[in-house]
Amino acid sequence: DAGITQSPRHKVTETGTPVTLRCHQTENHRYMYWYRQDPGHGLRLIHYSYGVKDTDKGEVSDGYSVSRSKTEDFLLTLESATSSQTSVYFCAISEPLLGPQFFGPGTRLTVL
Amino acid sequence: AQSVSQHNHHVILSEAASLELGCNYSYGGTVNLFWYVQYPGQHLQLLLKYFSGDPLVKGIKGFEAEFIKSKFSFNLRKPSVQWSDTAEYFCAVTLSGAGSYQLTFGKGTKLSVIP
Repeated sequence: DAGITQSPRHKVTETGTPVTLRCHQTENHRYMYWYRQDPGHGLRLIHYSYGVKDTDKGEVSDGYSVSRSKTEDFLLTLESATSSQTSVYFCAISEPLLGPQFFGPGTRLTVL
Repeated sequence: AQSVSQHNHHVILSEAASLELGCNYSYGGTVNLFWYVQYPGQHLQLLLKYFSGDPLVKGIKGFEAEFIKSKFSFNLRKPSVQWSDTAEYFCAVTLSGAGSYQLTFGKGTKLSVIP
């Protein structure tokens, strides 16, 4: 398996609180992605990064922000969590561009 | 916008039965195609990929997929399933061209294999 870790693996939080999820890779891949997975929707791209400090929005970016200050770390922040953001969040990496993506173990987030 | 359709939401098979999961995509240009598998409680793992060349692609664990350009399809097959193949399967497509970073997933097909 590719060297991708996500933290925390599980989190329960309350509506209105900020939440930050971390993705860490040891593969030195340039491209990193955040997805959410919900029943009946498959995986939907939230944000992605194509280099340090280079990020862009995906399909479902509202309510989320990201940052990438180092190649190995890609942070996803929910500025003010809502119940609709209860989901499983997966980080992925790829190299080269358009190559296969490799996924982290996921973070299960519950917003009460 | 490109889209990926997986025809079956849930497939139930007995062990040793043959499997075919459908996948169609909407984009008419050059694409790269993938199948991923997600075992219960785990992350997605790459089963196989198609970039170019032989349209019949062999992946891990005895799976294969055939790219039929005229039908915009990339169906996944396995001649004889095992109980351990119980999982959810996702087809995904990305555009083969400059400026596109996004991998679009289908909604998944859940496979249940009965011993």
